[in-house]
Amino acid sequence: EVQLVESGGGLVQPGGSLRLSCAASGFIFSNYWMSWVRQAPGKGLEWVANIKPDGSEKYYVDSVKGRFTFSRDNAKNSLYLQMNSLRAEDTAVYYCVRGGQWFGAWGQGTLVTVSS
Amino acid sequence: DIVMTQSPDSLAVSLGERATINCKSSQSVLYSSNNKNCLGWYQQKPGQPPKMLIYWASTRESGVPDRFSGSGSGTDFTLTISSLQAEDVAVYYCHQCYSTPRTFGQGTKVEIK
Repeated sequence: EVQLVESGGGLVQPGGSLRLSCAASGFIFSNYWMSWVRQAPGKGLEWVANIKPDGSEKYYVDSVKGRFTFSRDNAKNSLYLQMNSLRAEDTAVYYCVRGGQWFGAWGQGTLVTVSS
Repeated sequence: DIVMTQSPDSLAVSLGERATINCKSSQSVLYSSNNKNCLGWYQQKPGQPPKMLIYWASTRESGVPDRFSGSGSGTDFTLTISSLQAEDVAVYYCHQCYSTPRTFGQGTKVEIK
C-alpha cells in the first residue's frame, strides 16, 4: 500500500522558517517524480513544486521561488521542503504527492500557519 | 501560466441524476506527440486529501466507479457523473500537466438536491 506521511508543520512567525518532511513507503520511491501541493484554509489546490526521481531537476511555482527548497533522499525514501522567509499567504495544508505529471497518491497533509 | 476555469462553482443534483462539470484551459493541453490531453480530474471529500479520478482527460484511475467519465480535447473538458450517489458529494478539480507550473481549476462543489 502506498503511504505518504508528512510532518513538520506548525505555527511560525512571518519571516520565519520551517522544514517539512515526507516519508514514503509502499512503492519504489526512487522511480518517481514527487510533488508538493498546498491548500489554503477553505481554498483550492495550488501546486508548489516537483522534483525529478534523481533529484537533479526541481521546479517551483513563482510565488515560492528563492524561498522554498525541495530535496529528496532516495536512500531514506524521504522528501523535504525547506521553507524560508515565510509569509501569511503561505498558510496552508501542505500535501506530499506522488507524481510530477499525475498526482496519483497523496498524504494526509501537514498544516503550516504563518502568523504573529 | 495556463489558467484553468471550471463551471459551475457549485451544483446540486438529485440522487441518481447526472452531474456535469466543465473545465476550460487558457491554452491547449493536447500533446501533439501522442495526441493525448494532459488533463486530470480529482475528487476531494470533506476532511480528506484529493484523489485522482481521471487522467489523460478520459482514462479512469484503477478502482474508480464507471459512473465517472471524462471527455473533451484541446481546451474544453467535461467530467460527468452519470448517476449521482451520496458518496459523490465532494469538490472536484481539473488539473493540467501540459506545462509548469501545474495548475488546477478553482473547484466545483457537488451536493445533493
